[in-house]
Amino acid sequence: AQKITQTQPGMFVQEKEAVTLDCTYDTSDQSYGLFWYKQPSSGEMIFLIYQGSYDEQNATEGRYSLNFQKARKSANLVISASQLGDSAMYFCAMRARDQGGKLIFGQGTELSVKP
Amino acid sequence: DAGITQSPRHKVTETGTPVTLRCHQTENHRYMYWYRQDPGHGLRLIHYSYGVKDTDKGEVSDGYSVSRSKTEDFLLTLESATSSQTSVYFCAISVLRGRPNYGYTFGSGTRLTVV
Repeated sequence: AQKITQTQPGMFVQEKEAVTLDCTYDTSDQSYGLFWYKQPSSGEMIFLIYQGSYDEQNATEGRYSLNFQKARKSANLVISASQLGDSAMYFCAMRARDQGGKLIFGQGTELSVKP
Repeated sequence: DAGITQSPRHKVTETGTPVTLRCHQTENHRYMYWYRQDPGHGLRLIHYSYGVKDTDKGEVSDGYSVSRSKTEDFLLTLESATSSQTSVYFCAISVLRGRPNYGYTFGSGTRLTVV
């Protein structure tokens, strides 16, 4: 069975510091995609970053980077230079091949950025 | 970006009453999904559709039914609402897999309260 695990229900970080949000996954598929989404208090789901299982380099999108360790089945999100607007829920998700394109989500991590 | 609209945005209903939530897309995307979001569980797949009249169950399908009589609309029905179905419901569509979001667009969500 495919599964995403986020073990940090809540985290705090000081403004301008970097923070890592953990995500581990379980799948027997060789081809899969990993996503991170941000959900602010307004409720919308905002795409942040994507990593394909065959991508050799870690994905980066501005202040977001994904620390992809395939052997460990981890896909941690790193946010550099945290801003107050980064306070939100963050979800890790996986799309498995030949699964109807379904996304499987982790439980989420609530990040609070302190001024 | 693909247009996706959920209606209603908020609804309060009584236990035992039927409820239908609507997801409407403005483009002819094949795959559509219904998720529910609950604290501590992330987003969980209820049902999904891979074409007109083609639907399948997700991990939390009990108590829900769906219909897709035309490409642009995907309806989620709670046949007899229960308090355990109080949740936020998200519709999503799967679009082109390239940038900018690698495949998924989410609706704004429907907050359903069953009293």
